Amino acid sequence: ILNVEQSPQSLHVQEGDSTNFTCSFPSSNFYALHWYRWETAKSPEALFVMTLNGDEKKKGRISATLNTKEGYSYLYIKGSQPEDSATYLCAFNKGTGANNLFFGTGTRLTVIP
Amino acid sequence: DVKVTQSSRYLVKRTGEKVFLECVQDMDHENMFWYRQDPGLGLRLIYFSYDVKMKEKGDIPEGYSVSREKKERFSLILESASTNQTSMYLCASSFLLGAGNTIYFGEGSWLTVV
Repeated sequence: ILNVEQSPQSLHVQEGDSTNFTCSFPSSNFYALHWYRWETAKSPEALFVMTLNGDEKKKGRISATLNTKEGYSYLYIKGSQPEDSATYLCAFNKGTGANNLFFGTGTRLTVIP
Repeated sequence: DVKVTQSSRYLVKRTGEKVFLECVQDMDHENMFWYRQDPGLGLRLIYFSYDVKMKEKGDIPEGYSVSREKKERFSLILESASTNQTSMYLCASSFLLGAGNTIYFGEGSWLTVV
């Protein structure tokens, strides 16, 4: 099983603060990188899929960048709101097929009003 | 919107019982998956299916089997539940299996084996 690391494991921020967290993955055999948001008692929801080095994606106040050469992706949240509280998962595709998708353990974000 | 429904959200079963976890998707997706989520570990793939009656083992298939008799339904079966199968189980589906294709998840089934 391949190692996909997310840091930090958890963080608390004040409402209005901006924050970011990291997903690290092997730089070889890169096919795609996924970000999901997983709110408590709900299903994980897809945020972004990135496939090219240098990709940047944005959805409202959330954005993500990708560096496949060094094997990392950053997720940024600008002006955090309490509804942003969730676990953010990344998943790394090292090839096609379900057996080639590897998930990190997630970053648990709590936004304090 | 894609809907993946796991019929049982919380179950408590006894060791040795046969357990069925059911999952239904409403978007005519070819591919369906069962994952397991444990503290400190990323989602781990148990089994997946790319067509009716077809199945492939994932990373941790031991102690599990699956059934896909209809395209929309994918069942996970614990033939004889054990305490180390206490976990949260996530069902998912996708249209394609290629890298970069979005996977849609259910809300999870929390299973406790006592």
